[in-house]
Amino acid sequence: EAQVTQNPRYLITVTGKKLTVTCSQNMNHEYMSWYRQDPGLGLRQIYYSMNVEVTDKGDVPEGYKVSRKEKRNFPLILESPSPNQTSLYFCASSFGDSNQPQHFGDGTRLSIL
Amino acid sequence: QQPVQSPQAVILREGEDAVINCSSSKALYSVHWYRQKHGEAPVFLMILLKGGEQKGHEKISASFNEKKQQSSLYLTASQLSYSGTYFCGTEYPSMNRDDKIIFGKGTRLHILP
Repeated sequence: EAQVTQNPRYLITVTGKKLTVTCSQNMNHEYMSWYRQDPGLGLRQIYYSMNVEVTDKGDVPEGYKVSRKEKRNFPLILESPSPNQTSLYFCASSFGDSNQPQHFGDGTRLSIL
Repeated sequence: QQPVQSPQAVILREGEDAVINCSSSKALYSVHWYRQKHGEAPVFLMILLKGGEQKGHEKISASFNEKKQQSSLYLTASQLSYSGTYFCGTEYPSMNRDDKIIFGKGTRLHILP
């Protein structure tokens, strides 16, 4: 089954404790992206990647890191999480051409205390 | 650069029609529409390219007015299953084909029986 898989689905942690949210897709998509969703603000892009070893900042990249060592994986790293990073996070992927539908993972709800 | 969606929220009775608008301050290359049900991931509905085309999906259709830099989503004879938050995502023309999709803040649609 074609899917985008995120882990964990839920995480409660404390300020400053490094964490990684994994994202994997099995559709051979070139393009992968991370979004955060906050009430009233919609989906805001954190980072995106056009292909292996190619990443770029989205609209709200501060406090996050990503890597794209393999085509299928695009982990989101919070080196020193802070409470303002408490949010619902979505990973998405699509083929690299323009005008391709994005496939979203089920989301990861992060709470930073 | 974030597209502006209107209205922010709408409540309808089953069988009524609704229109959701997505406006940009910049010339658009394409517009994506997604629906997100509560607690779930956004799901792709359709993509419209510049040229004013109109596309349909069940009783949901959309148009793209290049001159007005606006897209509209039409929900005809709404069903209870149409409830959710609708997002438009915009792509902008550029020399480099690494455009990212920028999402609006969303329109919450609630259908009453």
